[in-house]
Amino acid sequence: NAGVMQNPRHLVRRRGQEARLRCSPMKGHSHVYWYRQLPEEGLKFMVYLQKENIIDESGMPKERFSAEFPKEGPSILRIQQVVRGDSAAYFCASSPIGNEKLFFGSGTQLSVL
Amino acid sequence: GQQLNQSPQSMFIQEGEDVSMNCTSSSIFNTWLWYKQEPGEGPVLLIALYKAGELTSNGRLTAQFGITRKDSFLNISASIPSDVGIYFCAGPLVGGNQFYFGTGTSLTVIP
Repeated sequence: NAGVMQNPRHLVRRRGQEARLRCSPMKGHSHVYWYRQLPEEGLKFMVYLQKENIIDESGMPKERFSAEFPKEGPSILRIQQVVRGDSAAYFCASSPIGNEKLFFGSGTQLSVL
Repeated sequence: GQQLNQSPQSMFIQEGEDVSMNCTSSSIFNTWLWYKQEPGEGPVLLIALYKAGELTSNGRLTAQFGITRKDSFLNISASIPSDVGIYFCAGPLVGGNQFYFGTGTSLTVIP
């Protein structure tokens, strides 16, 4: 199965720790999107990346959050000094070209204690 | 941010009934996507629409891209219990990069 792979599926952190969420896009896909979902809500756009470039980060909080998609390896969403309000499901999606259909991973459920 | 409004917000139907839901926006979209999400999982793409007026089917599912490019609908015929989930519409604005997601329609099918 060459689908979008996210890990870990569940991540528990204490307030102030760092969270690193990984996403490997589908084979042949060079566009990656990160979304955040709170319970009973829709998906909120965070950031859109291509290899080694951030294309649109208009949905990312200005502090503590960063994302990268290096030439080699998975895309990483990094949350520094986590707070309880960061608890949510974080989904990654990939696309073969921009503005095409998105294919989603199973998500990472982040819980901040 | 851009708001995609879906209606109804939730539906409770008997197995075998047909279902219709829609998605509207105040802005023009050049692509409409319909997804289904089950608890604890990521959204799964059901249907993609690329042209105004386009009508596309995928098994018991049929979706249309509205002529005004500001709306889309999804129909499910002869519903079955495994149709249960939350259905989202999504798409990018014309000239935009990010995909906006609708507020979702929660479907419950009663056997």
